[in-house]
Amino acid sequence: AQSVSQHNHHVILSEAASLELGCNYSYGGTVNLFWYVQYPGQHLQLLLKYFSGDPLVKGIKGFEAEFIKSKFSFNLRKPSVQWSDTAEYFCAVKRTDRGSTLGRLYFGRGTQLTVWP
Amino acid sequence: EAQVTQNPRYLITVTGKKLTVTCSQNMNHEYMSWYRQDPGLGLRQIYYSMNVEVTDKGDVPEGYKVSRKEKRNFPLILESPSPNQTSLYFCASSFRWGEKNIQYFGAGTRLSVL
Repeated sequence: AQSVSQHNHHVILSEAASLELGCNYSYGGTVNLFWYVQYPGQHLQLLLKYFSGDPLVKGIKGFEAEFIKSKFSFNLRKPSVQWSDTAEYFCAVKRTDRGSTLGRLYFGRGTQLTVWP
Repeated sequence: EAQVTQNPRYLITVTGKKLTVTCSQNMNHEYMSWYRQDPGLGLRQIYYSMNVEVTDKGDVPEGYKVSRKEKRNFPLILESPSPNQTSLYFCASSFRWGEKNIQYFGAGTRLSVL
């Protein structure tokens, strides 16, 4: 079965610290990759996505992620976090080959990021 | 404004009392989906629909029903709710089901079953 692993359940940082959240998936075929963010009490919002091409993708609010196919990873990074980045972050994977489970997004369990001012 | 609208946002009910959570999108999207979010488990797909009258089970369909009679609406039905269905529910939609399609999420419905 398809699985998505997020290595950290809860990350606590001070403002201006650098952030890296790990995400690995278990499927060997072609995929679309996503990071969603959920601010307290809000719905999921797309942070960034990878479909094809340059494996380093940039998203909103200074976030970026790098797709490393050989490692089945799509880690999220930000050089300097802010208090307003406090939220829960979800990695999601969609298989894109024919015959795969159509359109389904598989989510990791989420990483709660807390940034202290 | 393009959006996915869920109602109600909050619901408290008792075991066995049938309920429906509505979901509507105004983007003419073909693909719609329901997820439940539980602490430590992330989001798990309940049901999805690739188009009108086309629905299929996700990972956790037990205890739920859906229908897709119109393109814009995808209600989630709990015929006989139980306490283990207490959760935060999200509806999502995307233009198509295939690659390079982004799913947009509703604001969520927090359900408590007593």
